[in-house]
Amino acid sequence: DAKTTQPNSMESNEEEPVHLPCNHSTISGTDYIHWYRQLPSQGPEYVIHGLTSNVNNRMASLAIAEDRKSSTLILHRATLRDAAVYYCILRGAPNTQGAQKLVFGQGTRLTINP
Amino acid sequence: DTEVTQTPKHLVMGMTNKKSLKCEQHMGHRAMYWYKQKAKKPPELMFVYSYEKLSINESVPSRFSPECPNSSLLNLHLHALQPEDSALYLCASSQDKGAGLQPQHFGDGTRLSIL
Repeated sequence: DAKTTQPNSMESNEEEPVHLPCNHSTISGTDYIHWYRQLPSQGPEYVIHGLTSNVNNRMASLAIAEDRKSSTLILHRATLRDAAVYYCILRGAPNTQGAQKLVFGQGTRLTINP
Repeated sequence: DTEVTQTPKHLVMGMTNKKSLKCEQHMGHRAMYWYKQKAKKPPELMFVYSYEKLSINESVPSRFSPECPNSSLLNLHLHALQPEDSALYLCASSQDKGAGLQPQHFGDGTRLSIL
């Protein structure tokens, strides 16, 4: 399983943008980059995923480096509700066993200050 | 509120007890998953079911026995557990792998304590 590296913790202020980095230098050409987050006392929640191009959805943006060895999850305007552990995960290509498995790393604990 | 419902939310059991955890989803998903999460650690995959058939067992001890009686239900039968099995057990579901890289939807878990 391809490995990801994230900072253990980050802190930001409410209503400011947050950039959460992830390194995945051993990513293979068919691995997708997924982000999940886990709020306190809840199960993980899907945030966003991408392969090569940058992606946007209602929750966040995902910026993927040109060599795909790193990516950044961007929360454009953090709220207190965004305080969570954020996990960057590599998933194998569709229709492979690797696609079914979510292998969570240690994640980044994000604290939002009011 | 989550679309994957897990019961019970909390469970305390002795090492000789037999109990079951239940997970239910009505999103038409054909892949279902069990994860184990120890305190302050990330979730770890235990089992994957695809179309009601076990497709992945991550070398889980036999005291954990999964069952998928139909496409909406997933059970985890517990027997002769050890204190180190105390953890949060998370269930998830997704569209099957044939539909592409669909996100997994998680329940809020069952917090299990073994006395």
